[in-house]
Amino acid sequence: KAGVTQTPRYLIKTRGQQVTLSCSPISGHRSVSWYQQTPGQGLQFLFEYFSETQRNKGNFPGRFSGRQFSNSRSEMNVSTLELGDSALYLCASSLFLAGESEAFFGQGTRLTVV
Amino acid sequence: GENVEQHPSTLSVQEGDSAVIKCTYSDSASNYFPWYKQELGKGPQLIIDIRSNVGEKKDQRIAVTLNKTAKHFSLHITETQPEDSAVYFCAAMDTGRRALTFGSGTRLQVQP
Repeated sequence: KAGVTQTPRYLIKTRGQQVTLSCSPISGHRSVSWYQQTPGQGLQFLFEYFSETQRNKGNFPGRFSGRQFSNSRSEMNVSTLELGDSALYLCASSLFLAGESEAFFGQGTRLTVV
Repeated sequence: GENVEQHPSTLSVQEGDSAVIKCTYSDSASNYFPWYKQELGKGPQLIIDIRSNVGEKKDQRIAVTLNKTAKHFSLHITETQPEDSAVYFCAAMDTGRRALTFGSGTRLQVQP
């Protein structure tokens, strides 16, 4: 079956702009979690969506937001981009709530802010 | 919140040798401990996980042990192969909060 699909794979944006990243989970999976990966901070949890509701949120500013649609696809948005937002953004899908079933990661979207 | 420490940061072994990566966690409420392998240009891939009601789990050449009292867990890879070369991450989750906290990663190199 198809894995987790993230689009686009690469993005270059300018400081102050906003960006939207997309994640299509594995068919039938209802939970989507988002993570930020940087060399300095490692992998950090952003938020989790389940059945179109945000169930959990990490310690990121309000510029980072997300949503989930009825088909479980999820988007995350970062507004007023800063240089420090440059990172690999990963989403992971699970059949049930995160931790109750295996999480499958996508290949990520590499965002560069210049 | 949870804090996960992972050691070593790099590990080089000869093909056929064993590799051990160790993690400690701080939150006694954590009860789910997955291990991920990340290859260059790819997302993390779950290789094995363990829950707090189990002390050890094996899957072919890979095993994980958990010591809840000491709050540490370890990944053991036996008979290493060059294709095992990658970055390995441990993680801990309190399934009440459902946020994975990751270790800083171990770069494993298996020399042929």
